[in-house]
Amino acid sequence: AQSVAQPEDQVNVAEGNPLTVKCTYSVSGNPYLFWYVQYPNRGLQFLLKYITGDNLVKGSYGFEAEFNKSQTSFHLKKPSALVSDSALYFCAVRDMGAGNNRKLIWGLGTSLAVNP
Amino acid sequence: GAVVSQHPSRVICKSGTSVKIECRSLDFQATTMFWYRQFPKQSLMLMATSNEGSKATYEQGVEKDKFLINHASLTLSTLTVTSAHPEDSSFYICSAVPGQGFNNEQFFGPGTRLTVL
Repeated sequence: AQSVAQPEDQVNVAEGNPLTVKCTYSVSGNPYLFWYVQYPNRGLQFLLKYITGDNLVKGSYGFEAEFNKSQTSFHLKKPSALVSDSALYFCAVRDMGAGNNRKLIWGLGTSLAVNP
Repeated sequence: GAVVSQHPSRVICKSGTSVKIECRSLDFQATTMFWYRQFPKQSLMLMATSNEGSKATYEQGVEKDKFLINHASLTLSTLTVTSAHPEDSSFYICSAVPGQGFNNEQFFGPGTRLTVL
């Protein structure tokens, strides 16, 4: 069965420190992977995606993610966290069994708190 | 580009009434739109997939007669919560997928906060 796991409910980092939000996946075939961010009482904003090509993907707001096929991971990273990065982060993978509907399978989300 | 709007952003209604939420893709045509429900500090729960010109596909456990979805055009999908009850109170989010390009990326609306009294 296809799935996405975000093993940490919450991540706390100090401002200026590097941050990592973890994501692992289980899909058949080549995955299409996404990261989205949600600020309080807002919809989701796209951060970055991996479809093919370089394993290191750079996205919005200084975030990047590394696709690791052997570890089936797609961890989100940022070299220096900002207080304004505090939000809820979702990892998602395309449901390869959904035909052309482009449905996504979502992780449960990780709440990131960046402390000043 | 690729902006999705939702209206209203917030609605309060009495139990037993119906509420319609609109989702519009403002600068692209969306052959597919998704409707999600989100409880506080929880993940997105996909309710249904809405395809323009055809019936919506509902996820298991979602009552299609209670959550009516209409995708009448390539830029508009509506979700109607019929005979709303307090347990329907939630944050409803739509997303839209452009018909071309963007490699499967979904663009999200800002969400609608529904409170049923």
